[in-house]
This record gives sequence, C-alpha cells and structure tokens, in this order.
Amino acid sequence: GIQVEQSPPDLILQEGANSTLRCNFSDSVNNLQWFHQNPWGQLINLFYIPSGTKQNGRLSATTVATERYSLLYISSSQTTDSGVYFCAVDSYGGATNKLIFGTGTLLAVQP
Amino acid sequence: DAGVTQSPTHLIKTRGQQVTLRCSPISGHKSVSWYQQVLGQGPQFIFQYYEKEERGRGNFPDRFSARQFPNYSSELNVNALLLGDSALYLCASSLVFEQFFGPGTRLTVL
Repeated sequence: GIQVEQSPPDLILQEGANSTLRCNFSDSVNNLQWFHQNPWGQLINLFYIPSGTKQNGRLSATTVATERYSLLYISSSQTTDSGVYFCAVDSYGGATNKLIFGTGTLLAVQP
Repeated sequence: DAGVTQSPTHLIKTRGQQVTLRCSPISGHKSVSWYQQVLGQGPQFIFQYYEKEERGRGNFPDRFSARQFPNYSSELNVNALLLGDSALYLCASSLVFEQFFGPGTRLTVL
C-alpha cells in the first residue's frame, strides 16, 4: 500500500518564526489533505491539495504530485498553532475513499 | 451549517463488553468513514460506507462492524472489547474526496 512519511517529527519554534513541514508519499494520489489536530483530538481541515498551491491566511501549502511530496508553510507562528499536523493521502484506484495518514509533526510554539 | 457530530464524547467499558458509537455526517454528505487513533499514532482506517453499502474495510478483526442508515448516519460496533481497543474513534464524512472529521469518541477499556 501507499506509504506516507512526514518530517520533521518534532519542531519547537519561538512565536513569530516561520516553518516548513514536509510530506512524502510513495504513489500517485487523488486526494491529499493537511490537518491540524488540537489538544482535544479534533482534526481540523487545513487544505485539500492533491496538486498545486493554496494559501489561507498565514498558512500555505504546495503539492508537487509528479515528485510525490507536499509542503505546509506556517508563517509568523502563534502559540495557538501548537499541536500535531498530519498529512493524509488517498491513492488512485479502487472504490474506497480511504485516507492513509502520516505519523505527524508535533509542533510546539513558545511565547 | 453543523459539522460532523459524534456521540458519546467519552466512554469507559470493561474487557469483554460491547460498545456502539454514533456519527451524523454533514448534511448532504452520503459517505461516512470510521478511523481509530491510538495514542501517539495517526488515525487508521476502519470502514467506509456509501449509500448504506460498505465500500471498504481496513485491517481490523471481525469484532468491528458498522452500518449506515437511510439518513446517512452511521454506527460503529465493537464486540468483546480488548484493552488494545482503547483509542479515539473518529468519524468522517465526504461529498467527493475531501473528508471532514467529527470531534471523536474517546473509548477507554479497563
């Protein structure tokens, strides 16, 4: 099955710093989503981005499907950005709409 | 518009018992998927239902079952609970590809 790897596993930032999170995947995908999981466990949709570039406020994401990676950029980080960031993909083919999650990046933003 | 809702939010059971978790999708979404997230890991796919039919099943034992109702809500049942079933159970709904998750049910098996 498709493999999803995220890096770095952990990241500590000072408030106001910028960061880049990476997601590598091993096969072609028809769905790639970035999520932020808050301390209560809620998965918050950040981007649906199987290809191309999107921006939403201080966050932006780029997926290069031909090279099988996606990047999530966080600018001017705030303490509320802390939590776990997951990349999840669904490969082409089959009737199942099934997300395969990476192991996540644990982000801590310090004041 | 309301997002995906799940009930209950927390549940404590003992080994060998059975549990039923419930999920209501976003209005208009016909597909519901269930995921299990154990501490320190990403969510793992359990089931997907579309129009009341099972579309896919992850690598989980037959103790896990699910169904979808005519109003597209869904239930996940787990029989003969084991300590290892302690986890956050997440439900997601989708219109096409993008999935939206509910707040989860945290199950503790003692």
